[in-house]
Amino acid sequence: DQQVKQNSPSLSVQEGRISILNCDYTNSMFDYFLWYKKYPAEGPTFLISISSIKDKNEDGRFTVFLNKSAKHLSLHIVPSQPGDSAVYFCAAGGTSYGKLTFGQGTILTVHP
Amino acid sequence: DVKVTQSSRYLVKRTGEKVFLECVQDMDHENMFWYRQDPGLGLRLIYFSYDVKMKEKGDIPEGYSVSREKKERFSLILESASTSQTSMYLCASSPTDTRYEQYFGPGTRLTVT
Repeated sequence: DQQVKQNSPSLSVQEGRISILNCDYTNSMFDYFLWYKKYPAEGPTFLISISSIKDKNEDGRFTVFLNKSAKHLSLHIVPSQPGDSAVYFCAAGGTSYGKLTFGQGTILTVHP
Repeated sequence: DVKVTQSSRYLVKRTGEKVFLECVQDMDHENMFWYRQDPGLGLRLIYFSYDVKMKEKGDIPEGYSVSREKKERFSLILESASTSQTSMYLCASSPTDTRYEQYFGPGTRLTVT
């Protein structure tokens, strides 16, 4: 049972345009959501997070939106840069001790 | 600079062998985690530990065990490796106050033949 889903395996955008990555979850106990970024041959790195009491969090070019009623979150990258090309994982926590449940990942490719 | 290191980047083992994967963090973090990453499945939690000698099962603990004798070190043990355990294994750690913001090691690509 996949409690966190990223339905788009890949996304391709042009440099300078907006990238929108989506994530859906099913468990109502989740109260904290994160996005991680992963380059090949490296471990994932934390990118941005949002708690369930907010609906938006911004950090520079990255914004995460949370729609609790729809159990949906999204990551917006504006403007997209070639260095943003990576695998993006959404993750959800709230059940115990820092345990995270990850989505399947979306491969983002930003073309120059 | 925070650091999580894993003992090997690549490992090849035979079916039935006992395999040890070691993870060390230098950030004095309370929490440590072992995941495996497979194509189309994302990262799946195998085991985690919130204190020395404490461990909790994750979502896919079958076929694995763990050991945490010291705060900085968390070991994953495959008691009898099988081909289905061929995967990328990732270790992570986090402090108690920001427990969801996990720091990951570079991963160990394990192949079981």
